[in-house]
Amino acid sequence: QKEVEQDPGPLSVPEGAIVSLNCTYSNSAFQYFMWYRQYSRKGPELLMYTYSSGNKEDGRFTAQVDKSSKYISLFIRDSQPSDSATYLCAKPSTLGRLYFGRGTQLTVWP
Amino acid sequence: DTAVSQTPKYLVTQMGNDKSIKCEQNLGHDTMYWYKQDSKKFLKIMFSYNNKELIINETVPNRFSPKSPDKAHLNLHINSLELGDSAVYFCASSLLTDRGEQYFGPGTRLTVT
Repeated sequence: QKEVEQDPGPLSVPEGAIVSLNCTYSNSAFQYFMWYRQYSRKGPELLMYTYSSGNKEDGRFTAQVDKSSKYISLFIRDSQPSDSATYLCAKPSTLGRLYFGRGTQLTVWP
Repeated sequence: DTAVSQTPKYLVTQMGNDKSIKCEQNLGHDTMYWYKQDSKKFLKIMFSYNNKELIINETVPNRFSPKSPDKAHLNLHINSLELGDSAVYFCASSLLTDRGEQYFGPGTRLTVT
């Protein structure tokens, strides 16, 4: 079983829609989680970092962690064409290893 | 200012050749990493160095040899390149090894023909 599993997508939504991106994880050690955004032909950039259960909000982005079900989500409100990218969830492990989900490719059309 | 930079950006070479990729970070971070992203966009860690010391060496063919001359630089040398080595290689760095906030470079797109 992979450390992190992510809904593969792709996902295509109209501008203004609420987007929900989801991952599950298997190992309960290192209870913090990250979302990275990767534009086409660019490196991943850290979008959100969350330590604990519950919600963390940053502008139009909300990261949610449900430890009981080992489920992590990223919600994007009022999505914009500039949000079109691949979103990767990540979970750390020993010695700084980051395990990534396969990424969900999101397209927001005007 | 570019935080994590890599050279070259693109590399096209033939099977059997040896090539190197270089990475530099100006963030003052102690830990640097190499990741490989395959054609399906799956990003997987290969190596990690903390202050010039190798701390992660995943199951990677020994044709791949990382080197860190100082904590701001991390290079990756690949011998006897194979078709399956074609991928995008990303360098990343972090301030602390166990905090997960890694900052990625722009990637080196390697194509082996």
